[in-house]
Amino acid sequence: AQSVSQHNHHVILSEAASLELGCNYSYGGTVNLFWYVQYPGQHLQLLLKYFSGDPLVKGIKGFEAEFIKSKFSFNLRKPSVQWSDTAEYFCAAARGNRDDKIIFGKGTRLHILP
Amino acid sequence: DTAVSQTPKYLVTQMGNDKSIKCEQNLGHDTMYWYKQDSKKFLKIMFSYNNKELIINETVPNRFSPKSPDKAHLNLHINSLELGDSAVYFCASSQDAGGDGYTFGSGTRLTVV
Repeated sequence: AQSVSQHNHHVILSEAASLELGCNYSYGGTVNLFWYVQYPGQHLQLLLKYFSGDPLVKGIKGFEAEFIKSKFSFNLRKPSVQWSDTAEYFCAAARGNRDDKIIFGKGTRLHILP
Repeated sequence: DTAVSQTPKYLVTQMGNDKSIKCEQNLGHDTMYWYKQDSKKFLKIMFSYNNKELIINETVPNRFSPKSPDKAHLNLHINSLELGDSAVYFCASSQDAGGDGYTFGSGTRLTVV
């Protein structure tokens, strides 16, 4: 069965630290990958997505993610986090035939210390 | 202009009651969804409609019944509410069935007491 795994349940960093959040998926065939962010008390917003092409994807707010097919991974990175990045981050995947629901990982709570 | 709007934002009700949550999208998308987010923030899909037709119906108690009067609206009716139904319910829409990512509504926090 398809699944999305996020390794870190809760991450605490200081401002200006570098961030990497792990995500692995188990899908056969072509896959579309996403990272969503949920700020406290708010709805989910799309940070970035990967469909095909350059495996390094740049998103909003300075985030990027790298698709590594051989590792079934799609890790999220940011070189220097800010206090305002405190939020819940969800990795998600859908089959690449565009005819499938998105499955979400369990989320990683990121807490940035000022 | 809100792209995906849900009402109400908060809903507190007693066990056994019946309640509805409404969702509307003005993006012209063909597909709409209901997701449940539990207290641990886990997001689980419940239903999906494409052009008023039910295409995904996950293992959800039949007390939950979605209704899509047109492709811009997807409502969720819940009968005989239970304590375990307390959660945040998110509506979402997409142009196709998932490939492009979803646009989410702001959520409805349901508390059953």
